[in-house]
Amino acid sequence: AQSVTQLDSQVPVFEEAPVELRCNYSSSVSVYLFWYVQYPNQGLQLLLKYLSGSTLVKGINGFEAEFNKSQTSFHLRKPSVHISDTAEYFCAVSDGPGGFKTIFGAGTRLFVKA
Amino acid sequence: GAVVSQHPSRVICKSGTSVKIECRSLDFQATTMFWYRQFPKKSLMLMATSNEGSKATYEQGVEKDKFLINHASLTLSTLTVTSAHPEDSSFYICSASIVASGDNEQFFGPGTRLTVL
Repeated sequence: AQSVTQLDSQVPVFEEAPVELRCNYSSSVSVYLFWYVQYPNQGLQLLLKYLSGSTLVKGINGFEAEFNKSQTSFHLRKPSVHISDTAEYFCAVSDGPGGFKTIFGAGTRLFVKA
Repeated sequence: GAVVSQHPSRVICKSGTSVKIECRSLDFQATTMFWYRQFPKKSLMLMATSNEGSKATYEQGVEKDKFLINHASLTLSTLTVTSAHPEDSSFYICSASIVASGDNEQFFGPGTRLTVL
């Protein structure tokens, strides 16, 4: 069975500092991995996804993530955050072609301070 | 592209009434739609998966008679909360997936805030 663990429930960081949001997963099969962002009272927006190929994935808004199969991790990084990056970030995993169930982590609240 | 809308964005109703939430894929055909429930400061809990023209598949613990899901067309799925009670108050989010894309990406609606008095 799949599971996703987001190791930090909250991450406070100062503006222009780098940030890493951690995500570990478990799955018995090949996985597709995703990071989504949710702003208050809104739905989720895809930041980036890993399906196959290069383990370093670049997404929108300057975010990137690295797939590490040996450590079963998919950590999200940004070299310099902005106040507008304050939001909830969800890591997710699924194991099949389109339409299969996706499991979401508990979320990490990124709070960017001036 | 790949926009999903939800209507209404928020609804307040009295206990015992039924509420219908619509989820539409505006510019693509969604073979599969998902309904999630999100409690404050919590992750998304998958309630059910629906495929166009067939019965929805409910997750364990979700009452299918209380949360009626209809996926009548490739662009519309509805969730009806029947005989709503205050404990049903929550943020309901739908998403849509294009099976042919093969990458499992889900496109999310903006969510519906349900408050049952």
